[in-house]
Amino acid sequence: AQSVTQLDSHVSVSEGTPVLLRCNYSSSYSPSLFWYVQHPNKGLQLLLKYTSAATLVKGINGFEAEFKKSETSFHLTKPSAHMSDAAEYFCVVSEGRGADGLTFGKGTHLIIQP
Amino acid sequence: DGGITQSPKYLFRKEGQNVTLSCEQNLNHDAMYWYRQDPGQGLRLIYYSQIVNDFQKGDIAEGYSVSREKKESFPLTVTSAQKNPTAFYLCASSSSRDTYTGELFFGEGSRLTVL
Repeated sequence: AQSVTQLDSHVSVSEGTPVLLRCNYSSSYSPSLFWYVQHPNKGLQLLLKYTSAATLVKGINGFEAEFKKSETSFHLTKPSAHMSDAAEYFCVVSEGRGADGLTFGKGTHLIIQP
Repeated sequence: DGGITQSPKYLFRKEGQNVTLSCEQNLNHDAMYWYRQDPGQGLRLIYYSQIVNDFQKGDIAEGYSVSREKKESFPLTVTSAQKNPTAFYLCASSSSRDTYTGELFFGEGSRLTVL
């Protein structure tokens, strides 16, 4: 069985400082991994995805994530936080067997201090 | 613009009533999904459909029903049998190519409150 753990339920950073949102996963297969962002009362939007190509993945809005198989991690980073980055972020693991093969993390609430 | 439209955005219902949430997509995607989101929780799969006239139960299907009569539409009915229906409901879709990788497009959600 696969699982995903987002290590922080809340992260608070100052505007202009780096962002780190941590995600560890467990999978019996070679997984695909995703980060989605959700603004208040909105749907989820794909930030970036890893599907067994390059281990450093660049996404939208300056975010990137690195797949580290040895550490079973897929942490999300951004060099400089912007107020508009305040949102809920979800790490998702997929074992590539369709809709019932997705597991969502519980989310990390990112707070940006002015 | 292509996308997924969910309606209504907010819905209130009394206990014992059935309600239907609408989900329409114009992305020409084959697969559609319904998720439930509760505060501090990840998303949980209710039902999904990979082709017209066929759908499968997800992890928490009890108290819910769906239909897929058209490719563009995947309505969800929350029945009176659902014990705790107050939640945020998200509809999503994916192309055939992305169904197995897991890349989804989401609607903006419907918030259901039971009074």
